[in-house]
Amino acid sequence: AQRVTQPEKLLSVFKGAPVELKCNYSYSGSPELFWYVQYSRQRLQLLLRHISRESIKGFTADLNKGETSFHLKKPFAQEEDSAMYYCAQLYNFNKFYFGSGTKLNVKP
Amino acid sequence: GAGVSQSPRYKVAKRGQDVALRCDPISGHVSLFWYQQALGQGPEFLTYFQNEAQLDKSGLPSDRFFAERPEGSVSTLKIQRTQQEDSAVYLCASSLVVAGFEQYFGPGTRLTVT
Repeated sequence: AQRVTQPEKLLSVFKGAPVELKCNYSYSGSPELFWYVQYSRQRLQLLLRHISRESIKGFTADLNKGETSFHLKKPFAQEEDSAMYYCAQLYNFNKFYFGSGTKLNVKP
Repeated sequence: GAGVSQSPRYKVAKRGQDVALRCDPISGHVSLFWYQQALGQGPEFLTYFQNEAQLDKSGLPSDRFFAERPEGSVSTLKIQRTQQEDSAVYLCASSLVVAGFEQYFGPGTRLTVT
């Protein structure tokens, strides 16, 4: 069963516009959630994790347990944000489940 | 230092052939993960090692898939009697600590079975 859902395969926004990449996860009492990013011709890399509550490259993600969501947001998109974004949930300390990814395209 | 490396980067195999994919994790990293990423999909968990111990192999799709990490560093993923559905990018990731929160990914091996 799909544990992490990213409903949008492609999201296109103009530079300077707000962006929100959606992620829904399977219910777990204390979920461990992450966003990974893959820029063109680069490796998959960690963007942020909910436990640290950091803002990385202007991105934030808030855990909403009621809606089982962990959407990624940025108020003003930049062209260099164009990439594939994957939401991931950690189970049992070692098993990661990734969503199918959303391609963000920021147009000039 | 160098990041996670994988070899070969590309592999074409004829159906029925055996293949071996290598992963060199970051030195000193305890945790090692293998993932399979089909076209247009996210990475799917295959197996997890803590040092040389394979603690979780629940994601391996069949008994044709086998992974090892005999000395707790380099790992090999072997696929026997490859099938077309095995065509995918195989990703390796390592993590310094046991819980594996921050994984460092390799570039992947793209396997094409013809």
